[in-house]
Amino acid sequence: DIVMTQSPDSLAVSLGERATINCKSSQSVLYSSNNKNYLAWYQQKPGQPPKLLIYWASTRESGVPDRFSGSGSGTDFTLTISSLQAEDVAVYYCQQYYSTPLFTFGPGTKVDIK
Amino acid sequence: QVQLVQSGAEVKKPGSSVKVSCKASGGTFSSYAISWVRQAPGQGLEWMGGIIPIFGTANYAQKFQGRVTITADESTSTAYMELSSLRSEDTAVYYCARVEGDDILTGAFDIWGQGTMVTVSS
Repeated sequence: DIVMTQSPDSLAVSLGERATINCKSSQSVLYSSNNKNYLAWYQQKPGQPPKLLIYWASTRESGVPDRFSGSGSGTDFTLTISSLQAEDVAVYYCQQYYSTPLFTFGPGTKVDIK
Repeated sequence: QVQLVQSGAEVKKPGSSVKVSCKASGGTFSSYAISWVRQAPGQGLEWMGGIIPIFGTANYAQKFQGRVTITADESTSTAYMELSSLRSEDTAVYYCARVEGDDILTGAFDIWGQGTMVTVSS
């Protein structure tokens, strides 16, 4: 099974500052035939289901603010919030969908306001 | 716009079973896979298994093999997740989610149900 890890476990960032979350997979999630990374990012606020932010490692879901961006390839990925807003306080998860039909999530990173 | 609407909260005794439903409205049901994800209180997301309704085939995470059954009824656009031999550690919110990708086999989870709280307690 592909194991996903995230760092840090939590971080506190001042409003308007950049937040960076890292995600690492135990094996590559880059599919060579289409050159796509099978990696997604989700945001979860308390009491709500997760919300898809980014798929194919760097494609923003419709309606997601452009302050959210994803990067990386192979086994190392990053979610960046360029200018943290109060409404971005949440837990963020990465997920691989390479090893279909099995999916795995990272343990999550909690983002707070400093 | 497709919505996934789940059944209501359940309280179950240890050793019993629970069956949670997930009804799709506003769009095509059979053309997408549906996955089930659970979240214990204060914990992260855990993928349990999924089904492709048009194929009728289900796949399960190793951890839940033998205890979980995922089915789908295309006529009512509803997916089901049944978990048996419940124990206190199964207390969690259970979510269904639609899988959206380049093909029906895999993709990100773009639409989620509202979640169903299952409490296992004697």
